[in-house]
Amino acid sequence: GAGVSQSPSNKVTEKGKDVELRCDPISGHTALYWYRQSLGQGLEFLIYFQGNSAPDKSGLPSDRFSAERTGGSVSTLTIQRTQQEDSAVYLCASSLGSGTGLSGNTIYFGEGSWLTVV
Amino acid sequence: DQQVKQNSPSLSVQEGRISILNCDYTNSMFDYFLWYKKYPAEGPTFLISISSIKDKNEDGRFTVFLNKSAKHLSLHIVPSQPGDSAVYFCAAHNQAGTALIFGKGTTLSVSS
Repeated sequence: GAGVSQSPSNKVTEKGKDVELRCDPISGHTALYWYRQSLGQGLEFLIYFQGNSAPDKSGLPSDRFSAERTGGSVSTLTIQRTQQEDSAVYLCASSLGSGTGLSGNTIYFGEGSWLTVV
Repeated sequence: DQQVKQNSPSLSVQEGRISILNCDYTNSMFDYFLWYKKYPAEGPTFLISISSIKDKNEDGRFTVFLNKSAKHLSLHIVPSQPGDSAVYFCAAHNQAGTALIFGKGTTLSVSS
């Protein structure tokens, strides 16, 4: 597609359930990122995939969070045993390079998956 | 500890005036700084960036200034327009190659 596509756009789940959020990056982009934005907060880095390198998982808040990227394209973010504090917008982004913003090397964001844990 | 700080959560300006959004950082390893703009219910979109070897980058109504000694950058919007009303995020790229680090954002409101 033309842009980063995320699904579902909205998800309401019960506390304790597992959820999966999907991201389709822009075709050809080697880098893929997951961020989240909680109410009133900035963009919190979660995980970063770059090509075939081992992902940078340093932003994952707990071991309930995991992500994978299959075939260097689609990514799934999984949250196990969801808690109310997991409620946030989960944003996926992709870039051709490292996203410095110069010479067209820009990170493009999807519209996000709004997760509400009740 | 926040590496990228936007200390003003909101800013209100009148149409036609200058908007100045500020950002401070702590990590001297950052090599690029970026500004993103976000409308409600949309993902952030890239606005403008600057290399750490520069002190100014201009693109139309938008200019970013970098003061490395003060670890401070600012985004100037001149003239401000109502359509500029959005949340503006400052972000920094680490030359070690990790993902962008974002500030908490500043909500800009431009009134006509």
